[in-house]
Amino acid sequence: DTEVTQTPKHLVMGMTNKKSLKCEQHMGHRAMYWYKQKAKKPPELMFVYSYEKLSINESVPSRFSPECPNSSLLNLHLHALQPEDSALYLCASSQARTASGYTFGSGTRLTVV
Amino acid sequence: AQKITQTQPGMFVQEKEAVTLDCTYDTSDPSYGLFWYKQPSSGEMIFLIYQGSYDQQNATEGRYSLNFQKARKSANLVISASQLGDSAMYFCAMRELPRMDSSYKLIFGSGTRLLVRP
Repeated sequence: DTEVTQTPKHLVMGMTNKKSLKCEQHMGHRAMYWYKQKAKKPPELMFVYSYEKLSINESVPSRFSPECPNSSLLNLHLHALQPEDSALYLCASSQARTASGYTFGSGTRLTVV
Repeated sequence: AQKITQTQPGMFVQEKEAVTLDCTYDTSDPSYGLFWYKQPSSGEMIFLIYQGSYDQQNATEGRYSLNFQKARKSANLVISASQLGDSAMYFCAMRELPRMDSSYKLIFGSGTRLLVRP
């Protein structure tokens, strides 16, 4: 299995809703990442987990809450989002000890109304 | 701080011709890695090619090759024999030094949108 699977592919949520994005990989990668990508812009790093521990938080607002329940799963919990949070959210994973790049999921297109 | 620059917001190429997408980088680290990713309109980021800073030869992967000029700090992507399916956004990215926990950041350039004309 050489994939990173993200669900859902599309999500529309109101500003008062609570929702979660899910990311799963079974490649044995021990680092997992959340990126946010606005239209026509490059991806921007949000969070990094390594060996199931939060390694990097790029000063992301608390309305985004990451969680890594196990080595294969990464969640992003969303609460009280703003319309400007509408974006493509990409999950990625990478092998430990080899810097051969990320494997990305296909992303979740989030629209906040 | 590390930086990646892609100066071509958009490019056109005729089908079956070759095209070069430019990428320059800036880093003070002696060890780094450079990547190219393709992003179709569907949104997924597809890995194309990788070049390590100590690699002696330019990387090649099928129709993709990387023109790595270390002294000029450039890592241009060459796509040979363009196909209609090559129309997409292309991102150059640089790996920061891996952290103690083995994770690492990828820093992305602003991207080049390539349109292949039939």
